[in-house]
Amino acid sequence: GNSVTQMEGPVTLSEEAFLTINCTYTATGYPSLFWYVQYPGEGLQLLLKATKADDKGSNKGFEATYRKETTSFHLEKGSVQVSDSAVYFCALTSTTSGTYKYIFGTGTRLKVLA
Amino acid sequence: SQTIHQWPATLVQPVGSPLSLECTVEGTSNPNLYWYRQAAGRGLQLLFYSVGIGQISSEVPQNLSASRPQDRQFILSSKKLLLSDSGFYLCAWISGNTIYFGEGSWLTVV
Repeated sequence: GNSVTQMEGPVTLSEEAFLTINCTYTATGYPSLFWYVQYPGEGLQLLLKATKADDKGSNKGFEATYRKETTSFHLEKGSVQVSDSAVYFCALTSTTSGTYKYIFGTGTRLKVLA
Repeated sequence: SQTIHQWPATLVQPVGSPLSLECTVEGTSNPNLYWYRQAAGRGLQLLFYSVGIGQISSEVPQNLSASRPQDRQFILSSKKLLLSDSGFYLCAWISGNTIYFGEGSWLTVV
């Protein structure tokens, strides 16, 4: 079945460091791929998405490219800030009889130190 | 614009007590609605989804149930809570192929 695997956390970085959070997927067909962010005590917010191969999603300085050949959707940011501290979830969609189902990774906690 | 709300935001319940979490969506009609649970330190688990009034699909066997009495209302319930039901519960809906989440409800079973 479909699945998402993302790197274990926590990831601890200094402010202005480069961030990469790895995400790989297994899916039939052509899923859409997403990154969601969860700040402490809050629900999940959509960070960025890509709907087809080679698409690049970007938002708030974060980027991720849909790589079908490596089945990956790694999240990157050139210079992290303390305010980026959160849990990041990689996800994909699949459809069953026209109903969307989302499959999420286990989340990667990011802690940015001043 | 569309919004999603769920309540209560936080609750502490004794083992064996009932549960009712409510979710409503505004600004859209006939949305696909979802309940997820996030246990402490773990990922998101899909519990139920609904494509219309009275239509509920369960993803995993458990101590919980869901109902959709109105088009934009989705309720998560339990008759008798277990300690293992503790977690962060998220209601969500789909727009296009993107899922949007409510603010979440923290449940602690003691």
